[in-house]
Amino acid sequence: DIVLTQSPVLAVSLGQRATISCRASQSVSISSINLMHWYQQKPGQQPKLLIYRASNLASGIPARFSGSGSGTDFTLTIDPVQADDIAAYYCQQSRESPPTFGAGTKLELK
Amino acid sequence: EIQLQESGPGLVKPSQSLSLICSVTGYTITSGYDWSWIRKFPGNKMEWMGYISYSGSTNYNPSLKSRISITRDTSKNQFFLQLNSVTTEDTATYYCARYDGYYHGFAYWGQGTLVTVSS
Repeated sequence: DIVLTQSPVLAVSLGQRATISCRASQSVSISSINLMHWYQQKPGQQPKLLIYRASNLASGIPARFSGSGSGTDFTLTIDPVQADDIAAYYCQQSRESPPTFGAGTKLELK
Repeated sequence: EIQLQESGPGLVKPSQSLSLICSVTGYTITSGYDWSWIRKFPGNKMEWMGYISYSGSTNYNPSLKSRISITRDTSKNQFFLQLNSVTTEDTATYYCARYDGYYHGFAYWGQGTLVTVSS
C-alpha cells in the first residue's frame, strides 16, 4: 500500500498562511495527472473534500484554499487562515488500490 | 442534495459480526459511482474498507478481504457493511461515502457512526 506521511500538528496565527505537506512513499502521479486529494475534518463532523487531483478546488470551497505538488510531494495552502479553518486535514491517494489516507495534520492557533 | 446516513448498533461483542446500513437520499445508487465504507480509528488513522459499485460489483481492502461483505438493497437505495469476527481493534467511527473515482476522491460522506467492540 502507498503510505502517506503528514506532520501531526501545525501552529499558525489567524490571517497568516498555513502550508500543510503530504509525502507519498511512491509517486501518485500518472503523466501529468496527480491523484492526490485533500479533506478537512472538524471535531464531530465528517470529512469534507477540499481539493481533488492535487490542485482543483471542490465545489463550494473558498479560494483561500489551494493545492499543489506532483509525484510524491504535495502541499495544501490556506491563505489567509481564518478561525473557521481550525481543523484536521488529511491527504488521500487514488493512484493505487487500496486508496490510502495520511494520518492527518491538526491545524492549531499559535 | 445528496445525503448519506449511517445506522446500526453502537456496541458489538468480540467475535460477533458488525452490521451497518447506509441510507442514501438525493441520488440513486444504481446511477453511478462507487459506494464505500471508510473507518477512522481512535488514533485518527483512516482506512478504506471497500465499496460496491453502481453495477453491484465489489472491491475490498485486502487487509479485510476474509471478513468483509458489502451488499445493497436497490429498492431502498441503501447499502450495507458486514464485518465478521470483530475484535477490539475494530472499534472505530464508520463512515459511508460516495467515491467519485480516481480523479475526484470521496465527494460525499455520511456523518459517521461510532462502533465500539467490547464485551
